[in-house]
Amino acid sequence: AQSVTQLGSHVSVSEGALVLLRCNYSSSVPPYLFWYVQYPNQGLQLLLKYTSAATLVKGINGFEAEFKKSETSFHLTKPSAHMSDAAEYFCAVSDRGFQKLVFGTGTRLLVSP
Amino acid sequence: DVKVTQSSRYLVKRTGEKVFLECVQDMDHENMFWYRQDPGLGLRLIYFSYDVKMKEKGDIPEGYSVSREKKERFSLILESASTNQTSMYLCASRGSSNQPQHFGDGTRLSIL
Repeated sequence: AQSVTQLGSHVSVSEGALVLLRCNYSSSVPPYLFWYVQYPNQGLQLLLKYTSAATLVKGINGFEAEFKKSETSFHLTKPSAHMSDAAEYFCAVSDRGFQKLVFGTGTRLLVSP
Repeated sequence: DVKVTQSSRYLVKRTGEKVFLECVQDMDHENMFWYRQDPGLGLRLIYFSYDVKMKEKGDIPEGYSVSREKKERFSLILESASTNQTSMYLCASRGSSNQPQHFGDGTRLSIL
């Protein structure tokens, strides 16, 4: 069975600081990996996806994530946080068959001025 | 852009009522999904459908059913609503196998 662990239900950073949101996955087969963002009272929006091409994946809004098979990790980073980045972030994993998504429990990013 | 539309943003119903949540997508996607989202639990899959009239149980199907009579529409049905079904419900659709799921804005359902 696949699973995702997101370390830290809340992460606080100052505006301009590095953002690092952690995601570790468990999968018995090569996975597809995704990061989604959810702003208040909205659905989920895709930030980026890994589907076995380059291990460093660039997404929207300046975010990127690196697939590290040896560490079973797919951490999300952004060099400089902006106030508008405050939201909840979800990491998700799927197999390459039918591709049901398994989500982590989410990390709420708080950005202070 | 893919558009996934959920019929209601907020809904208040009473225990025992039969509740219908509707979802429509405009991209001719084969696959559609219903999730519920609860604080600290993330998103959990209730049901999914990979074709018209086809459905599969997800991780938490108890108390729910679904209907997919047309490709673009996927309905979630609470047969007899209970207070523990108060939650945010999210619909998603997906096209081909290596494409991501696209989500609607969600329906916040309260059962009183």
